[in-house]
Amino acid sequence: EAGVAQSPRYKIIEKRQSVAFWCNPISGHATLYWYQQILGQGPKLLIQFQNNGVVDDSQLPKDRFSAERLKGVDSTLKIQPAKLEDSAVYLCASSPGKETQYFGPGTRLLVL
Amino acid sequence: GNSVTQMEGPVTLSEEAFLTINCTYTATGYPSLFWYVQYPGEGLQLLLKATKADDKGSNKGFEATYRKETTSFHLEKGSVQVSDSAVYFCALSDVPGAGSYQLTFGKGTKLSVIP
Repeated sequence: EAGVAQSPRYKIIEKRQSVAFWCNPISGHATLYWYQQILGQGPKLLIQFQNNGVVDDSQLPKDRFSAERLKGVDSTLKIQPAKLEDSAVYLCASSPGKETQYFGPGTRLLVL
Repeated sequence: GNSVTQMEGPVTLSEEAFLTINCTYTATGYPSLFWYVQYPGEGLQLLLKATKADDKGSNKGFEATYRKETTSFHLEKGSVQVSDSAVYFCALSDVPGAGSYQLTFGKGTKLSVIP
């Protein structure tokens, strides 16, 4: 069974630029999560989707972050404009609807 | 709200030493508890889990017991190997009012095992 796929793996941008990350969850998993992991900390949930609907985006900085999950499968997370403090690893996870989540390898973002 | 507290790292052990990483939690309701491991440059992998009090999760020689009375889920391994070097995260999953599962993570404990 294929795991959660994410791309790109690494991205370097300058502040005020925009960036997008892509996630392809495990086939059949209805729930998809995006996390932000700042160096030295545990992952923090940004947004949770159930199929193509948003379940919780209370911790998503909506002035600069946006996410969508078209057709309830792939998802993209966008940052526009990026700030220095957005430098982090962005993790995507999927779940069949129960408590166990399966994580992708992450996208490491550096904002200069 | 929910929270997870892990022992501060980094932890450095010699190969074949005994490992304990402490984890305590605060939660409403009855959370499921998890240990995830993150190897350098990789995403998180589920190591083990326990879904109710007194359950013991185990995998690859690691084990942790869900202790409701002490709100703890300490990770142990009897004999660590160099390949166990990684960052270990304790997490809990509760079911908020929306009926969905969300993970709350600790800050992680970096383990280095030297030959």
